[in-house]
Amino acid sequence: NAGVTQTPKFRILKIGQSMTLQCTQDMNHNYMYWYRQDPGMGLKLIYYSVGAGITDKGEVPNGYNVSRSTTEDFPLRLELAAPSQTSVYFCASSYPLPGLRSSQYFGPGTRLLVL
Amino acid sequence: ELKVEQNPLFLSMQEGKNYTIYCNYSTTSDRLYWYRQDPGKSLESLFVLLSNGAVKQEGRLMASLDTKARLSTLHITAAVHDLSATYFCAVDSNYQLIWGAGTKLIIKP
Repeated sequence: NAGVTQTPKFRILKIGQSMTLQCTQDMNHNYMYWYRQDPGMGLKLIYYSVGAGITDKGEVPNGYNVSRSTTEDFPLRLELAAPSQTSVYFCASSYPLPGLRSSQYFGPGTRLLVL
Repeated sequence: ELKVEQNPLFLSMQEGKNYTIYCNYSTTSDRLYWYRQDPGKSLESLFVLLSNGAVKQEGRLMASLDTKARLSTLHITAAVHDLSATYFCAVDSNYQLIWGAGTKLIIKP
């Protein structure tokens, strides 16, 4: 299994540009998550999904959109990039245990710089 | 609002010493996770603590959970340089994990 994969690894955007961060997992996990991590900080949840067709906002959803058409894929869309969106973005997935969820498995991250 | 606080945020210690990282959280939860992050890398799951009194150990690391005190500890025994990393705790709350700010641990030879 490849686990959780993310593309691209690094990207520079100009203010106002749009892009999609790709995330794919091959573990058949129901739950998927997008986080951002600013330098020296913890993680903040952007969006999450509990299954195909179901998404919900996390702590910091403004400026982002997601979709979940398949179990495997959970892309994150930035519509109008702003410097405040400069960060490292992590995708993660987890599977349901009875009454709760497993640990989250993380992708390698996408480093985004908005200039 | 659930808050998760870690302390210390930064810890520099000598090899061979013992130390404890603390994770306090502000509301009821009986599921807590510890992760490790090396510089410039992704996060790796260390421990999942699922009930009051849970204790997990892996090598020189031991994690425990006291849900009544809303406190988890990560204890490092006889630290070695390879344990240098940032350690995060996270508390499960309604499909989401709420994360602490992380403890940056530097272990000097």
